[in-house]
Amino acid sequence: GAVVSQHPSRVICKSGTSVKIECRSLDFQATTMFWYRQFPKQSLMLMATSNEGSKATYEQGVEKDKFLINHASLTLSTLTVTSAHPEDSSFYICSAPPNPTGGGTEAFFGQGTRLTVV
Amino acid sequence: KQEVTQIPAALSVPEGENLVLNCSFTDSAIYNLQWFRQDPGKGLTSLLLIQSSQREQTSGRLNASLDKSSGRSTLYIAASQPGDSATYLCAVDNDYKLSFGAGTTVTVRA
Repeated sequence: GAVVSQHPSRVICKSGTSVKIECRSLDFQATTMFWYRQFPKQSLMLMATSNEGSKATYEQGVEKDKFLINHASLTLSTLTVTSAHPEDSSFYICSAPPNPTGGGTEAFFGQGTRLTVV
Repeated sequence: KQEVTQIPAALSVPEGENLVLNCSFTDSAIYNLQWFRQDPGKGLTSLLLIQSSQREQTSGRLNASLDKSSGRSTLYIAASQPGDSATYLCAVDNDYKLSFGAGTTVTVRA
């Protein structure tokens, strides 16, 4: 199957600093990528849709100025958590569909990033 | 808005027993349904993908059924092993935006 690589896998940062998480599609081009967040013992929740060449689309309740998304190329999307606070501590994971012409194909996920803000 | 529910939330069985995990969803206009496995602190491993036109999919000891009209899917794991201990998530695809259930945490006792 298609490979999606996410980096870093773990990061600890101080409150008030910014953290960048990268999501790369290694063997296919992804014009669209998705970012999810998972709090402990809860399900994954879609945060935003990252679109190559245009602005990201954020789900209701997600602060776009806090979670900056940049889809720099057809193989890379980045999520920057700005001015991080302890409540931002969570598991962040990206996914990319190989053929975004409508739903129906398998979604491939990165390995996830465990963010801890101290 | 799509709502996905998984029952039970947790399950503990002795090795060798068959597992039955349930998933229900409210909006039947889905492209597909996927079952994932998540180990503690790890990412997602895709187990099975069922297209909306299909009734079931099988892979090894795993079998998943889909009844789209009633909004239900069931994951069967035959002859469970301790290595099957993990959290199992179902997710429905509405144009690539996946809606996840909260998961069923399975413990298989040796």
